[in-house]
Amino acid sequence: GENVEQHPSTLSVQEGDSAVIKCTYSDSASNYFPWYKQELGKRPQLIIDIRSNVGEKKDQRIAVTLNKTAKHFSLHITETQPEDSAVYFCAASTGRRDDKIIFGKGTRLHILP
Amino acid sequence: GAGVSQTPSNKVTEKGKYVELRCDPISGHTALYWYRQSLGQGPEFLIYFQGTGAADDSGLPNDRFFAVRPEGSVSTLKIQRTERGDSAVYLCASSLIAGVYNEQFFGPGTRLTVL
Repeated sequence: GENVEQHPSTLSVQEGDSAVIKCTYSDSASNYFPWYKQELGKRPQLIIDIRSNVGEKKDQRIAVTLNKTAKHFSLHITETQPEDSAVYFCAASTGRRDDKIIFGKGTRLHILP
Repeated sequence: GAGVSQTPSNKVTEKGKYVELRCDPISGHTALYWYRQSLGQGPEFLIYFQGTGAADDSGLPNDRFFAVRPEGSVSTLKIQRTERGDSAVYLCASSLIAGVYNEQFFGPGTRLTVL
């Protein structure tokens, strides 16, 4: 089955700097890669996703890149702000109707003042 | 309601007891998912329903875990003979239809503590 590895487990960046979180996956059939943000004590929320027919997707300060050959994908947050502090989860799936989403273990992002 | 709701928000029980966790999905969402999130881990898939039937229960750890969705809306996750290792946050999510391209909206979770 699919296995998703996520690094780093904890990341601290100065406010205004960029943050990068990296994930690798094992199943070459995976073609859908969502990212979720979970603030302390709150529910996970989808912030961006990418499908394998594109290599990059951007939404304001957030971008995701995908390298299918190397089976890795990354989340980039630019101009970080205090409200970006949270745990971020990457995930992967084949996208089939009967498939499930496999999550990474998460990255706790701290934005330092 | 506007979002997925789960009750109770917290449940403390003793080892060996039976517990039920409830999930109310977003109205009109036909797919419902249960996940378990242990401390420092990502959500771990347990089971999902499309309508009333369990379409995939491959994530249930053993036969002490069971889930139902009799009318295709509210779902109940049932855990028999609870063990300390069952302690975790149990998350429910719903989506308009099954299929991972359809965004899953998560509930706030039920924190289960087995003493």
